[in-house]
Amino acid sequence: AQKITQTQPGMFVQEKEAVTLDCTYDTSDPSYGLFWYKQPSSGEMIFLIYQGSYDQQNATEGRYSLNFQKARKSANLVISASQLGDSAMYFCAMGGNFNKFYFGSGTKLNVKP
Amino acid sequence: SAVISQKPSRDICQRGTSLTIQCQVDSQVTMMFWYRQQPGQSLTLIATANQGSEATYESGFVIDKFPISRPNLTFSTLTVSNMSPEDSSIYLCSVLSRGEGEKLFFGSGTQLSVL
Repeated sequence: AQKITQTQPGMFVQEKEAVTLDCTYDTSDPSYGLFWYKQPSSGEMIFLIYQGSYDQQNATEGRYSLNFQKARKSANLVISASQLGDSAMYFCAMGGNFNKFYFGSGTKLNVKP
Repeated sequence: SAVISQKPSRDICQRGTSLTIQCQVDSQVTMMFWYRQQPGQSLTLIATANQGSEATYESGFVIDKFPISRPNLTFSTLTVSNMSPEDSSIYLCSVLSRGEGEKLFFGSGTQLSVL
C-alpha cells in the first residue's frame, strides 16, 4: 500500500525567508514520482514540482526545490524567499508506476508580512 | 501542459437528485482520474476513467453511486447519483501528462453543495 504523510498541519514563515514543508512516503513500487501542489483559497490545484524516483539530482522550479532523500523516503519542499502570495495549502503526492496518485493531508502555509 | 475545462464550476442540488460533471481536455491523454475533496480535507481518489472500458474504482466508491463515462481520450464525465448532504465536496478531474516529465494536471473543480 502507498502512503503519504505530511506532519505539519500549519506553518508560519516571515516574508522573504525560506521555509521547508515536510513529506514522507511509503511504497513498494520500484519506480514512482513525487509531486507538490499548491491550493490557494480559490480551490484550484497548481502543480509546483516533480521528482522521479530515479532522478539523480533534486528537482528545482524557480523558487521551489525538492529535497529528495530516497533512503529516508522523504521529499520535502523548500520555498525560498517567501512571498505573501505563497499563503495556501500545500499537498505532497505520489504516483507509483503512474497509475494512481495519492495525496498527503496537506500543510497550510501562512506568510507573514 | 494540458488544459482542462471542467463544468459546472459549482452547483447547489437537492437531496436525492443527480449531477453530472464534465471534464474536457485539450489534448489526448491516456490517464484520467476523478478526485473528491471534502471540506478541509485532502484529495481522495474516486476512480480512474478508462477509455472504452469500465472505470476502476477505489475502495469505498461504487459505480452505482459514481458512474463514470470515458467515450474518448479527451472527455470524461462523473455523475454523483442520489445525492445526500454528505456528498457536498469539491470534485476534481485530473489528467496525467507525460511531456517534459510526469505531471498530473487538474481541472478547476466543481464545488457541490447538497441541501
